[in-house]
Amino acid sequence: DAKTTQPPSMDCAEGRAANLPCNHSTISGNEYVYWYRQIHSQGPQYIIHGLKNNETNEMASLIITEDRKSSTLILPHATLRDTAVYYCIVRVANNFNKFYFGSGTKLNVKP
Amino acid sequence: GAGVSQSPSNKVTEKGKDVELRCDPISGHTALYWYRQSLGQGLEFLIYFQGNSAPDKSGLPSDRFSAERTGGSVSTLTIQRTQQEDSAVYLCASSQGVQETQYFGPGTRLLVL
Repeated sequence: DAKTTQPPSMDCAEGRAANLPCNHSTISGNEYVYWYRQIHSQGPQYIIHGLKNNETNEMASLIITEDRKSSTLILPHATLRDTAVYYCIVRVANNFNKFYFGSGTKLNVKP
Repeated sequence: GAGVSQSPSNKVTEKGKDVELRCDPISGHTALYWYRQSLGQGLEFLIYFQGNSAPDKSGLPSDRFSAERTGGSVSTLTIQRTQQEDSAVYLCASSQGVQETQYFGPGTRLLVL
């Protein structure tokens, strides 16, 4: 059930901003955009989520376009420990609240 | 505070044996979810609980898979007569409610020989 589209991989230099795009053109008005990441051999880690406004927390910023059909996760100063697979997820707005994880973007942070 | 914990962290079993995987959610979280992740793949939803009840079991791959949750806390995922294709990482997540953010455990790596 492909709710989101992400590039399979991206490279980023250590210390630079990493900008990870996500397309979710079929998103409904009451569906949130969530970002998780998964570092090798660990469980997924929550990063940030938003509905329509841009959001920022201690880990990252989330920029959602006005039409909500795409978003960008920004890691302002990437470190080697940010190397992971990043998943953009649209939460299904029904009582079941299932998260559909796609294949994500493998971010490679290089020294 | 304590996060979601899962046990065992690794399990190696022989084809045909039964296995039980355990998940301890974050205290106070009423919703609990089970996912499966095969090597190099995204997460596959299996089942979720709201309290002790499981409104949606449609993600379970076959009738060899079952899950229960008692006391609104600990959950057990049981796989009967394991097959080699059951080999995967089994992830558990919990949230304060079904509308809230899910927090994941470290997973159980199951290998069926």
